[in-house]
Amino acid sequence: DAMVIQNPRYQVTQFGKPVTLSCSQTLNHNVMYWYQQKSSQAPKLLFHYYDKDFNNEADTPDNFQSRRPNTSFCFLDIRSPGLGDAAMYLCATSGAGAKNIQYFGAGTRLSVL
Amino acid sequence: EDQVTQSPEALRLQEGESSSLNCSYTVSGLRGLFWYRQDPGKGPEFLFTLYSAGEEKEKERLKATLTKKESFLHITAPKPEDSATYLCAVQVLSGTYKYIFGTGTRLKVLA
Repeated sequence: DAMVIQNPRYQVTQFGKPVTLSCSQTLNHNVMYWYQQKSSQAPKLLFHYYDKDFNNEADTPDNFQSRRPNTSFCFLDIRSPGLGDAAMYLCATSGAGAKNIQYFGAGTRLSVL
Repeated sequence: EDQVTQSPEALRLQEGESSSLNCSYTVSGLRGLFWYRQDPGKGPEFLFTLYSAGEEKEKERLKATLTKKESFLHITAPKPEDSATYLCAVQVLSGTYKYIFGTGTRLKVLA
């Protein structure tokens, strides 16, 4: 029973063509996260939502945006993908506060041509 | 600056050859330390969480331990299906609660 679901699993886009990745959860968690992970690197936090409160990391490029229309869904928008944005994008959720476990989706592999 | 370092970067073991993976951290105010397994092309899968020095958790061939500066993931008599990347993450409070990941240890177990 998938608890954090990401769609699509694989996404191919063209240089500069906007793309949206989606994430949904059945855990009813307050917090949702988006990470970027490149080959052999640690997942890099892009931003997270604490309920409807958006928290952007200081080094996340403006090219990356996010929306959370309700508790269950969160979207990652890449406005003008560059070749350097090709990566695995991971969505995760957790409860609020200390000691909560983060649960991850299967990820979306983004290719930019 | 909060930092998580994992070693070794890669490890090759023969089936049945026990070993340990290391996760060292320098953070201001550890709330929890988490171990994940990540298979190629997939999202991280939660394994263990540890909250205080001296704590230990076990699951099948895996055992995680925690001190004030590092955590170890001990793998006893590994099998080829244990081959994966093992990620360590720490939870810290920086405005909101965040998780900082290490770069992982890529484990390959040979039959």
